[in-house]
Amino acid sequence: LAKTTQPISMDSYEGQEVNITCSHNNIATNDYITWYQQFPSQGPRFIIQGYKTKVTNEVASLFIPADRKSSTLSLPRVSLSDTAVYYCLVGEIYNQGGKLIFGQGTELSVKP
Amino acid sequence: SQTIHQWPATLVQPVGSPLSLECTVEGTSNPNLYWYRQAAGRGLQLLFYSVGIGQISSEVPQNLSASRPQDRQFILSSKKLLLSDSGFYLCAWTNLVNVLTFGAGSRLTVL
Repeated sequence: LAKTTQPISMDSYEGQEVNITCSHNNIATNDYITWYQQFPSQGPRFIIQGYKTKVTNEVASLFIPADRKSSTLSLPRVSLSDTAVYYCLVGEIYNQGGKLIFGQGTELSVKP
Repeated sequence: SQTIHQWPATLVQPVGSPLSLECTVEGTSNPNLYWYRQAAGRGLQLLFYSVGIGQISSEVPQNLSASRPQDRQFILSSKKLLLSDSGFYLCAWTNLVNVLTFGAGSRLTVL
């Protein structure tokens, strides 16, 4: 399993773009990268998933360089409600039943 | 659509008492099921996962155990709780591309 490393915390202001980077130096060929968002006293919820290059949905973008040893979650124009902990998780998406281990996550604080 | 139910939502238990947390999934068959624990201000710790009835993998040997008596039911138990068992317990299941969907969580306080 690829171990992930993220910054412990980040600060931002409303309306700014926020980029959170996750390092996963020993990512395997079959591994995908999945990002989750967690609010206090709630379970994490899925944000985005990707394998390489760029993935975009209505919430965020995910940038993955060619060597796939890191990934960057990009949140456009954040608001106060984006204050949460963000986790990246690396694992085989078709390896059904494998262990899915979270890293320490990044606590994002958005200020007015 | 698939839904996941977890209960009880909160409980306060004395040290040494037993524990039973239940999780059920609706709208899917043969889900992969997970139990995580989150201590206050900490990250998510994987406790157990299961790929099928009666099949349990343990990540953190301790005084907790898990069982899967039915396809869509996952139970977390303890015979004697410790103070260190306090935390936020989350059940989750994965879909075909291993995206986790979590329940609302059970907050356990051991006194």
